[in-house]
Amino acid sequence: EVHLVESGGDLVQPGGSLRLSCAASGFTFSNSWMDWVRQAPGKGLEWVANIKKDGSEKHYVDSVKGRFTISRDNAKNSLYLQMNNLRAEDTAVYYCAKDAVGGEGYWGQGTLVTVSS
Amino acid sequence: QSVLTQPPSVSAAPGQKVTISCSGSSSNIENNYVSWHQQLPGTAPKLLIYENSKRPSGIPDRFSGSKSGTSATLGITGLQTGDEADYYCGTWDNSLNTGVFGTGTKVTVL
Repeated sequence: EVHLVESGGDLVQPGGSLRLSCAASGFTFSNSWMDWVRQAPGKGLEWVANIKKDGSEKHYVDSVKGRFTISRDNAKNSLYLQMNNLRAEDTAVYYCAKDAVGGEGYWGQGTLVTVSS
Repeated sequence: QSVLTQPPSVSAAPGQKVTISCSGSSSNIENNYVSWHQQLPGTAPKLLIYENSKRPSGIPDRFSGSKSGTSATLGITGLQTGDEADYYCGTWDNSLNTGVFGTGTKVTVL
């Protein structure tokens, strides 16, 4: 059974940094594209970033380019999202997902990031 | 704003059928697979349909998906109170080079 468990969400001040982690199990992590998706309070789903199986290709939504970095460690079956220069509008639940769009996707339970002074 | 447009809400009585549309363009829906996700209140999204019309194991055949041109549709038959949730379509956009989700549709069982 596929399991995705996020961690690292917290309350952080504007301009601060945070690193989210996602522990994956139940599938061949090194063979899977992985995504981060977020959902602001009371809003819809927003795709944030994805990373290729070997980490050689990454894509980001415009609003986080230059501030967020997606990475992975296939030896540890782990996905990461380094978030720098955080803004109030980055406040959301962040979901780790496998094949979030189009394919046979799986979702984690989410971790809450709150950006506030 | 999202590049995929869904109706904000649909409703029907128990046992009836509802359909949810997802309208996109040639850069997304027309040339890529579409997935549909159900989000019950206070929970994480859950996959209902992938690759336009396939159901994951455990998803009842009351849920169906289809695609034609730049639009996709989710159908729910035999509506149950447990189906009250938000539903999102998702696909890849070749112009943006990003994943995209629909605006979301709230299903209400009358």
